[in-house]
Order: sequence, then C-alpha cells, then structure tokens
Amino acid sequence: EAGVAQSPRYKIIEKRQSVAFWCNPISGHATLYWYQQILGQGPKLLIQFQNNGVVDDSQLPKDRFSAERLKGVDSTLKIQPAKLEDSAVYLCASRGEARGNEQFFGPGTRLTVL
Amino acid sequence: SQQGEEDPQALSIQEGENATMNCSYKTSINNLQWYRQNSGRGLVHLILIRSNEREKHSGRLRVTLDTSKKSSSLLITASRAADTASYFCATNSGGSNYKLTFGKGTLLTVNP
Repeated sequence: EAGVAQSPRYKIIEKRQSVAFWCNPISGHATLYWYQQILGQGPKLLIQFQNNGVVDDSQLPKDRFSAERLKGVDSTLKIQPAKLEDSAVYLCASRGEARGNEQFFGPGTRLTVL
Repeated sequence: SQQGEEDPQALSIQEGENATMNCSYKTSINNLQWYRQNSGRGLVHLILIRSNEREKHSGRLRVTLDTSKKSSSLLITASRAADTASYFCATNSGGSNYKLTFGKGTLLTVNP
C-alpha cells in the first residue's frame, strides 16, 4: 500500500511569514495526526483528526497554528505568522483500525524559520 | 508534554554486539510502542507491547515491560550498521483516540 505523503519536504521562510503543509494519509485511514518534532526531541502531538472532526488539539498553539481536514482525507497544517521557535520537522501520521494502534508516518516537512 | 524518557541518550556499539535501550514513563498505560527513526525511512513502528504483557519478541528485537516500575527496555541482538538510528518509546494511555506520547529518544550508532 502507498504510504503517507507529505509536501513540501523542506521549507525555509522568514519569521512572521506564513507557511502551509499538506498531508495525504494512507487510503482508508480515518485517523490523522500532526506532530511537531524539534531537533533532538521526540515528536509532540499537535492535533488529531477522526475523519474530518478534531479529536485532540490541546497542544496546538491556536493563536498561530491551524489545521483542517475538510473531506476526511487530505489535511493541511498552517502557521501564521511563523516564529523562530517553530523551526522543526512536521510529521503527519495516519492510523487504520485493521492494524490496531500502529501509526504510519510520512517523511515529514523540515521547516526552517530565519 | 513528553511521558517517556529513554536511557541512554546516546549509545555507540560495534556491529554484532547487542544494544539495550530503556524507557521510563510516568502514568498508567494501555500499551507501549517502540519506533525507529532514521533519515532514510523516517519514523517506523517496530513493536507494541500491551500493559498485560511482560515480554515480546520480533526478529532480533526483544521488548520487556515492567508496569510496577513503569519501565520498558528494547534489546536489539546482533546489531548491524543498518540499525543506526534514533529509537523512541511511545506510550498510549488508552481511550478511544489512541493518542501516543513520545520520549526524547536514544541515538544508536552501530560501527562496522
């Protein structure tokens, strides 16, 4: 099966600019996650969708981050405006019921904010 | 917040040796999972152990879980250079949303 797709793979922006990331989960996976991974740390969950509804966004900095999954398939994560501390890899993952708790991760988008 | 804490932060061994990584966590869990991350393949699920299990094997991997001590260990036997990666434990505390909380990881370097 095709894996989780993300784009772009790399993005460099200046602080206060806006940026958007795109994720296409594995076909049929109802649950989609966005994680932020700062260099030297483990992934931190930002937001979780079940189909097109938000299940958990408790760690999403809502003053500057937003995410949507309008049709329950693809998802976009936006940062507006970006800060230096947003430099990180943004990972998208999806999970299907058939494989239990296993999450499948995309390659990530490496964001550098200058 | 990060629940798991891996130990050691970094580990360097020779090919053929065994590598042991430990993970401690703070709250009760439904299951604990180990993931591997390297630049070539991203973050990949290795193995899951449920809270009522004490040990699990998968190929060269052996995972143990001690819920009384809130700790887990991952053993990689007969290591290979291709095992060089960061290894993360991730805990799931149950509930319908299958949320994972990752630790900071152990960087394993296997020297040929």
